[in-house]
Amino acid sequence: GAVVSQHPSRVICKSGTSVKIECRSLDFQATTMFWYRQFPKQSLMLMATSNEGSKATYEQGVEKDKFLINHASLTLSTLTVTSAHPEDSSFYICSAGRNRGGKEAFFGQGTRLTVV
Amino acid sequence: DAKTTQPTSMDCAEGRAANLPCNHSTISGNEYVYWYRQIHSQGPQYIIHGLKNNETNEMASLIITEDRKSSTLILPHATLRDTAVYYCIVRVDGDDKIIFGKGTRLHILP
Repeated sequence: GAVVSQHPSRVICKSGTSVKIECRSLDFQATTMFWYRQFPKQSLMLMATSNEGSKATYEQGVEKDKFLINHASLTLSTLTVTSAHPEDSSFYICSAGRNRGGKEAFFGQGTRLTVV
Repeated sequence: DAKTTQPTSMDCAEGRAANLPCNHSTISGNEYVYWYRQIHSQGPQYIIHGLKNNETNEMASLIITEDRKSSTLILPHATLRDTAVYYCIVRVDGDDKIIFGKGTRLHILP
């Protein structure tokens, strides 16, 4: 089956630094990928839609200047958390679907970000 | 907003069938019912989906009522590894954007 891979799976960074998370579709091309954030014991919250070759679309309340999304190729989207604060500590998950008629959305393994 | 409602949590004995209900009373004619699950600290995993007919695969069965306003996911012989949060989602075929509700936290008891 199709696989979506995230890297890194865990990262610890200092307050004020930036962290980049990668999301790759390994055996299919994805013009659209999605980024979610999940706090402990809560559901996944959609942050933004990553569009290949164009700007990302952010959900209401998500700061686009803080969460930079780049989708430079059909198999890679990156999420950069800029000037990280401890409250940005969370589980970040990406998803991608096959183009044109695919029924499944495939999710990455998630990235646990801890800001200290 | 999520268009589904599910019980917050459920328990099921190991080896028994786990039946997880979902209400989706405002489902549109072109929306499918999808089920995903999330094991702790992992990404969601696709389980099954259907439009109006009952569906079965190697993981589970999906029973959709005739009016399509509710459905039930059935895990026929639950194991401890089925402990997870189960999400019922309605979405249009081909729309990869998924809005998650709160899901049902299923505990399989030894």
